[in-house]
Amino acid sequence: GAVVSQHPSWVICKSGTSVKIECRSLDFQATTMFWYRQFPKQSLMLMATSNEGSKATYEQGVEKDKFLINHASLTLSTLTVTSAHPEDSSFYICSAPYRLGANVLTFGAGSRLTVL
Amino acid sequence: AQTVTQSQPEMSVQEAETVTLSCTYDTSESDYYLFWYKQPPSRQMILVIRQEAYKQQNATENRFSVNFQKAAKSFSLKISDSQLGDAAMYFCAYRSVYAHSNSGYALNFGKGTSLLVTP
Repeated sequence: GAVVSQHPSWVICKSGTSVKIECRSLDFQATTMFWYRQFPKQSLMLMATSNEGSKATYEQGVEKDKFLINHASLTLSTLTVTSAHPEDSSFYICSAPYRLGANVLTFGAGSRLTVL
Repeated sequence: AQTVTQSQPEMSVQEAETVTLSCTYDTSESDYYLFWYKQPPSRQMILVIRQEAYKQQNATENRFSVNFQKAAKSFSLKISDSQLGDAAMYFCAYRSVYAHSNSGYALNFGKGTSLLVTP
C-alpha cells in the first residue's frame, strides 16, 4: 500500500517550452504532497507543499510563476515548469504522507527533466 | 529552521563488514522524527529506518540499527553484514511532530553519504 506514481520519469524539452509532471497517490488520498528538487549528487531540496483545494506553499527562493503547482483532487498534484531553461534541468521528486501528519513519506520514482 | 548535517560525503565498506554513517542535527524542538532513507542508482527513495525522538530505545530493522543520542543531537546508522545491494546514497532526514502549516510536515534532508560496498 501507499504507492505514489510519478509521470513522466524522463522528459526532454526545448528551452522556452513548458513541461508538466504528474504525481498520483494510487491507493490513498493525499491532501498534501511535497515537491522536491535534486541536482546531481546533491540532496533533496523542498520546493513547495501542494495542498488539495488551496494554493501551494512555496519555499523561499522558489519562483511561483516558474513552478506552477496544482492539486485539484485528493490523488493528483501536478508541477508545471513554465518557460523552461537549461538551468531548470534537474530531478524532481514528489512525496506524500499516506495520511496528514503521518510521519512516513512515500516517494514517487522521480522525473528527470532535461532542457536543451 | 532545523539543519541536518552528514559529514561523510563518501564511505566504503567491504562485503559482510559493518559500517556506520553519521548524522547530526540542530533543532530547538523537543519532539520530532528522524529517518534514514536510501537512494540507489534508480533514484527511488527507500525508507531504511525511523526513530521517534521521545523513544529512548534505538530503532532496529534487521541489519540496520541507529544510535540515537538526543542530548548530542546525533543519529548514526549502522549497517551490519554489508551487502552489495546496500551500495547507495544514504540521506538522514528530520521531521517536526507539530507544524504550523502543512509544509512543516515535509522532510528536511542532509546532504547525503555515498556508500560503496566492495566485494
